[in-house]
Amino acid sequence: DADVTQTPRNRITKTGKRIMLECSQTKGHDRMYWYRQDPGLGLRLIYYSFDVKDINKGEISDGYSVSRQAQAKFSLSLESAIPNQTALYFCATSDLVFGGEDTQYFGPGTRLTVL
Amino acid sequence: DAKTTQPTSMDCAEGRAANLPCNHSTISGNEYVYWYRQIHSQGPQYIIHGLKNNETNEMASLIITEDRKSSTLILPHATLRDTAVYYCIVRVVSNYQLIWGAGTKLIIKP
Repeated sequence: DADVTQTPRNRITKTGKRIMLECSQTKGHDRMYWYRQDPGLGLRLIYYSFDVKDINKGEISDGYSVSRQAQAKFSLSLESAIPNQTALYFCATSDLVFGGEDTQYFGPGTRLTVL
Repeated sequence: DAKTTQPTSMDCAEGRAANLPCNHSTISGNEYVYWYRQIHSQGPQYIIHGLKNNETNEMASLIITEDRKSSTLILPHATLRDTAVYYCIVRVVSNYQLIWGAGTKLIIKP
């Protein structure tokens, strides 16, 4: 089984709808992240969480919210989806190792289309 | 803005070593260099990382110049399955974020 899973894998929705993307991990990591990727570009950080009680905004948090329900679960919500939120969304996890190393491991992604 | 510069694309013959360069001239002394790859639109896959010493694992080798201003990822015996976009990333220590550029599209040719 995959260490980092995302549901749904594909979603088509309409403008104005509320959407939730879910991420679960079995790696036992404290840190979780949500990224989006637009065609031909690198990933951009939306939100990150270093533990259950810690939520931080990333580079592009406007229009998104998150919930860290447990160490293993981190959800991303689009309260009112708009077409320019059409993108690939990736969840990642990591754990801080002594010395400052922090390797992130990614889920398979969710392809979201907002019509 | 991304803190790394990579070629947009590269070709390599199957079975040969693929050498992917990356410039990170503004890297700070305590920042790590990470390499990931992304096959099609799958989730990025971690390859290797380093601080200042050269590193090797089962997937690749990472060569970092002495001044740390550039590095090279080496895939010793490239296969068709290594066709992917390769990202060189400098980790921002202060907030643990990875700053992603556009990467290098590596095409392995038979």
